[in-house]
Amino acid sequence: EPEVTQTPSHQVTQMGQEVILRCVPISNHLYFYWYRQILGQKVEFLVSFYNNEISEKSEIFDDQFSVERPDGSNFTLKIRSTKLEDSAMYFCASSRERRGGELFFGEGSRLTVL
Amino acid sequence: SQQGEEDPQALSIQEGENATMNCSYKTSINNLQWYRQNSGRGLVHLILIRSNEREKHSGRLRVTLDTSKKSSSLLITASRAADTASYFCATSYSSGSARQLTFGSGTQLTVLP
Repeated sequence: EPEVTQTPSHQVTQMGQEVILRCVPISNHLYFYWYRQILGQKVEFLVSFYNNEISEKSEIFDDQFSVERPDGSNFTLKIRSTKLEDSAMYFCASSRERRGGELFFGEGSRLTVL
Repeated sequence: SQQGEEDPQALSIQEGENATMNCSYKTSINNLQWYRQNSGRGLVHLILIRSNEREKHSGRLRVTLDTSKKSSSLLITASRAADTASYFCATSYSSGSARQLTFGSGTQLTVLP
């Protein structure tokens, strides 16, 4: 069964360092998303991406964040200068539908900023 | 805020019992979905109910939607220890672009063997 894969599963970084989280969405999906979940808190929307551009982003997704689909398969989230409060689980998701259809999530990348 | 809010926050039951979780939201929706998350894992889609539907079944899951009360419930019948997980409702706005789902804070279900 096709699935969304994410790497790394866990990354530890120093504050101020750049981090790139990678995702391979399901191959025939067209809509891609990043969510994050701070430990014990809600799953929060960061950004949606379609047709090689950002469709929508939340207030969390500030200038320190960027997304890219550098080739036909990978979808990346970059955090330019990490802060302590960026420590969270970051989930990539993809979907076939535009308007709030079923999302298929990866297992997440746990980011720990020291 | 559009966010769904689940209650209870935590629920502990014996294996074989039914578990009911509720979700409330604030504005008009296109659909409402329920997801499950095992500890430290990704979210898994369980069921989607559209705004023009009132009830939906999938295996041991039953979801209801009351748009007049802006609420939904998820019933898991004949629970098993393997059902232990967090359950989230997620709402999709009735208007908007390639939009995100907005997740609630979840119900932590523990099924005791």
